[in-house]
Amino acid sequence: DADVTQTPRNRITKTGKRIMLECSQTKGHDRMYWYRQDPGLGLRLIYYSFDVKDINKGEISDGYSVSRQAQAKFSLSLESAIPNQTALYFCATSDLQAGSHEQFFGPGTRLTVL
Amino acid sequence: QKEVEQDPGPLSVPEGAIVSLNCTYSNSAFQYFMWYRQYSRKGPELLMYTYSSGNKEDGRFTAQVDKSSKYISLFIRDSQPSDSATYLCAMSGTGNQFYFGTGTSLTVIP
Repeated sequence: DADVTQTPRNRITKTGKRIMLECSQTKGHDRMYWYRQDPGLGLRLIYYSFDVKDINKGEISDGYSVSRQAQAKFSLSLESAIPNQTALYFCATSDLQAGSHEQFFGPGTRLTVL
Repeated sequence: QKEVEQDPGPLSVPEGAIVSLNCTYSNSAFQYFMWYRQYSRKGPELLMYTYSSGNKEDGRFTAQVDKSSKYISLFIRDSQPSDSATYLCAMSGTGNQFYFGTGTSLTVIP
């Protein structure tokens, strides 16, 4: 079984709709991240969380919100989706307390906003 | 100026060739340097990890970091068709954010 899972894997929605992308991990890591990937722009950080009570904005947080429901769950919401939020979204985890700077990525969610 | 610059390619080489992938960066506080490989329709996976300057070798892969020039490289020897993927450099400092390059698309032709 995958250590980092994302649901849904694909989603097509319309402008103005509210969308939630979910991420779960079984790695026991404390740190979780949401990125979006766009051609020519690479991976850009949206939000990150170091534990359930900690939420931090990343490079491109406008138009997004997150919820860390538990250590293992980190959700990303688009309150009112717009077409330029069409992208590939990745959740990632890391365990910096263990001295590792490796991030473990989920399989991604391909979101299309019409 | 972006924190990390990476030539997007695409790069196409014959099987067996030596591949050189590079990134430059602007933040002198970066200490941790990583290369991720991303296959189509998959999430990135860590390929190499280096702390500070120097070289690190793992099989056919060698990572080099030159902090004085703010330049990192990944070399792939005896490239294989299975190496065809997008390669992303990433780096971080003592803070908690990771900064990624845009990725270089590599195709190894049999």
